[in-house]
Amino acid sequence: GAVVSQHPSWVICKSGTSVKIECRSLDFQATTMFWYRQFPKQSLMLMATSNEGSKATYEQGVEKDKFLINHASLTLSTLTVTSAHPEDSSFYICSARDLWGGGTGNTIYFGEGSWLTVV
Amino acid sequence: GDSVTQMEGPVTLSEEAFLTINCTYTATGYPSLFWYVQYPGEGLQLLLKATKADDKGSNKGFEATYRKETTSFHLEKGSVQVSDSAVYFCALDAGNTPLVFGKGTRLSVIA
Repeated sequence: GAVVSQHPSWVICKSGTSVKIECRSLDFQATTMFWYRQFPKQSLMLMATSNEGSKATYEQGVEKDKFLINHASLTLSTLTVTSAHPEDSSFYICSARDLWGGGTGNTIYFGEGSWLTVV
Repeated sequence: GDSVTQMEGPVTLSEEAFLTINCTYTATGYPSLFWYVQYPGEGLQLLLKATKADDKGSNKGFEATYRKETTSFHLEKGSVQVSDSAVYFCALDAGNTPLVFGKGTRLSVIA
């Protein structure tokens, strides 16, 4: 299947600093990517939908000035957590829609996830 | 709106037992249905999918059939292994929108 890569897998940052997480579709072009946050033993919480070349659409309750999303190319979306605080510590997962699917059809693939710890 | 309901876990089975994880959905239109698996500390991996009624998705011994009449997409495996221990998510894709997930079912398989 198609591959979505996230980087970094693990990051520790100091409170008040910013950290950037990258999400790349390696073998397909993704006009739409999605960013999720997952708390321990819970399902995924959609944060925002990222559309290439336009502003992201944020879910209710997600601070767009704190979680900056940029989708500058068809294979890359980035999530920047600005002025991070310990409560931002979480597992962040991206996904990308492969519209043509190489024969398997319209399918969404997920990255490996990024663990963020703010100290 | 669209929604997915899957059986709550955790589910604990002995190795080689039969697995069923129930999933039902509500949707307008004709969504595609998916099962994703999440191993500890990792992202989600696509396990199988079905795009229309009566389609059967299968992978790694897992199967699920898209049943429009019962709006269901139950996941089954005839003989589970310890390595199948993970969280399983049923999901619905209605088009160019985010996936709608169930809450996930944690499966633990003991030797």
